[in-house]
Amino acid sequence: KAGVTQTPRYLIKTRGQQVTLSCSPISGHRSVSWYQQTPGQGLQFLFEYFSETQRNKGNFPGRFSGRQFSNSRSEMNVSTLELGDSALYLCASSSIRSTATYTEAFFGQGTRLTVV
Amino acid sequence: AQSVTQLGSHVSVSEGALVLLRCNYSSSVPPYLFWYVQYPNQGLQLLLKYTSAATLVKGINGFEAEFKKSETSFHLTKPSAHMSDAAEYFCAVSDGGRGSTLGRLYFGRGTQLTVWP
Repeated sequence: KAGVTQTPRYLIKTRGQQVTLSCSPISGHRSVSWYQQTPGQGLQFLFEYFSETQRNKGNFPGRFSGRQFSNSRSEMNVSTLELGDSALYLCASSSIRSTATYTEAFFGQGTRLTVV
Repeated sequence: AQSVTQLGSHVSVSEGALVLLRCNYSSSVPPYLFWYVQYPNQGLQLLLKYTSAATLVKGINGFEAEFKKSETSFHLTKPSAHMSDAAEYFCAVSDGGRGSTLGRLYFGRGTQLTVWP
């Protein structure tokens, strides 16, 4: 069973540009979450999508956005890039159960974004 | 609100020695707790999780953690360290996620484990 796939793995962008990152969840998983990891702030939650709808959102500016497609694949977009957006962006997928049993997050290898 | 504190940003042990990584949590609801490991330039791999079934949780690679509600702790241990255990370890707490969504994970700042030969 393939894991969570994130593309591209590495990306270099110029300040002011925009970028789109892609995440393909594990087959059958319908929930996708995004996290930003930086040395200064650690791991921070960006947003979560389920059934093409954003269900949770972290404390990030509106330049950060995302979406989820009908096949559960997700993209996140960052517009007007700033130097501080340089980070490892991690995507996590999870299955949804019909009971109250907690699900767990499976993470991809991340996309390393460098803004210059 | 949920939060996690990991005591010690760096821990060094000799190969074969006990590994103890500390995690204290704060949660306004019964917590779901996790330990993840991250190798350089990799994503996060789940080591183990606590979801109220048992207070002593066994994970992969010989790791285990004990949930202590009175101490709001969820420390990670391994009896005998191996060189391959060198990595960064993150403790996390969830804000719920029952049923329809996963919920949000709140991570600690991480503990870098170094294993000396």
